[in-house]
Amino acid sequence: TQLLEQSPQFLSIQEGENLTVYCNSSSVFSSLQWYRQEPGEGPVLLVTVVTGGEVKKLKRLTFQFGDARKDSSLHITAAQPGDTGLYLCAGAANYGQNFVFGPGTRLSVLP
Amino acid sequence: DVKVTQSSRYLVKRTGEKVFLECVQDMDHENMFWYRQDPGLGLRLIYFSYDVKMKEKGDIPEGYSVSREKKERFSLILESASTNQTSMYLCASIETGTGANVLTFGAGSRLTVL
Repeated sequence: TQLLEQSPQFLSIQEGENLTVYCNSSSVFSSLQWYRQEPGEGPVLLVTVVTGGEVKKLKRLTFQFGDARKDSSLHITAAQPGDTGLYLCAGAANYGQNFVFGPGTRLSVLP
Repeated sequence: DVKVTQSSRYLVKRTGEKVFLECVQDMDHENMFWYRQDPGLGLRLIYFSYDVKMKEKGDIPEGYSVSREKKERFSLILESASTNQTSMYLCASIETGTGANVLTFGAGSRLTVL
């Protein structure tokens, strides 16, 4: 069974700080996705990374896929209260359509 | 944009009741999924469907069944609700194409079983 772990589980920071959250597995994934979920809503896709070592930037968010395609990180620069939410990573194996989700990192950015 | 609609946002049911959770997507996607989300456990796949009248068990199908009579509609059924089925239920539809696939989720149905 493929498992994804995320750390930290909870993170509370002040506006303007930088942070990194991690997604790790012992399994190899063909792709890895990051979602953000706000209270009362479903998860919304932020990014998909496919190639080992790939780095993608989305404004203040930087996503990296590990060289071995077993782990990923999400770095937020100068966090804002609007970044508050639950960040979920999800891995897909063999280019399939079934995803394994991590437990999530709950981020709170205080003004 | 794909829209996935879960008609019941909040439900409160009693143990033993039959519960229907409805999900409709408006982009002609073939693949649909039901997940449950619990704190600290992430999303766990209950059932998925690749086509009308087709269904496959996910990781935690016990106590649930599904129905896919029309392409746009995927229903989750709890034949006899139990308190351990209190959870947030998320329906998703998938866009396929080159490279990775993209899940689009509904807003969720929060079920409380008393």
